[in-house]
Amino acid sequence: EPEVTQTPSHQVTQMGQEVILRCVPISNHLYFYWYRQILGQKVEFLVSFYNNEISEKSEIFDDQFSVERPDGSNFTLKIRSTKLEDSAMYFCASMFRAGELFFGEGSRLTVL
Amino acid sequence: RKEVEQDPGPFNVPEGATVAFNCTYSNSASQSFFWYRQDCRKEPKLLMSVYSSGNEDGRFTAQLNRASQYISLLIRDSKLSDSATYLCVVRRSGSGTYKYIFGTGTRLKVLA
Repeated sequence: EPEVTQTPSHQVTQMGQEVILRCVPISNHLYFYWYRQILGQKVEFLVSFYNNEISEKSEIFDDQFSVERPDGSNFTLKIRSTKLEDSAMYFCASMFRAGELFFGEGSRLTVL
Repeated sequence: RKEVEQDPGPFNVPEGATVAFNCTYSNSASQSFFWYRQDCRKEPKLLMSVYSSGNEDGRFTAQLNRASQYISLLIRDSKLSDSATYLCVVRRSGSGTYKYIFGTGTRLKVLA
């Protein structure tokens, strides 16, 4: 069964460092998303990406965040200068059309 | 007001019990509705879509009331393996994409 894969599964970083979280969406999917979930809290929308550009972003997705789909398969989330409050599980998700949203297993980010 | 509201629970029920979860949404532009299941520290997975006429999948029944902006999930004959957090999700389209908004989730614990 096709799946969304994310790497790394866990990353520990120092405050102020740059982090790149990688995702390989399901191959024929057209819509791509990043969500985050702080421990014990809700799944929060960060950004959606369609047709090689950001289609919508939330207030959380400030200038410290960026996304790229550099080669037609990977979909990356970069956090330029991490803060303590960026510690969370980051989920990548993809969708073909208006169908099921498939999630990766998540990348846990710990900022010290 | 949160766009998608759920009672966080926890709901502690004995095996074999019937349990119902409710969800309300505030944006009348919401078009599609889903229940996702999330196990502890795992990614959300689609449990079922919710259709206007109501729908059933085995022990699970979902209902939608657009007039009241209310969605429900009924689980009959609860199993230990049903213990999880149940996420109410609404989807709306806009800006050339689809946006999925998650509720905080309702935690269910089925007791032996």
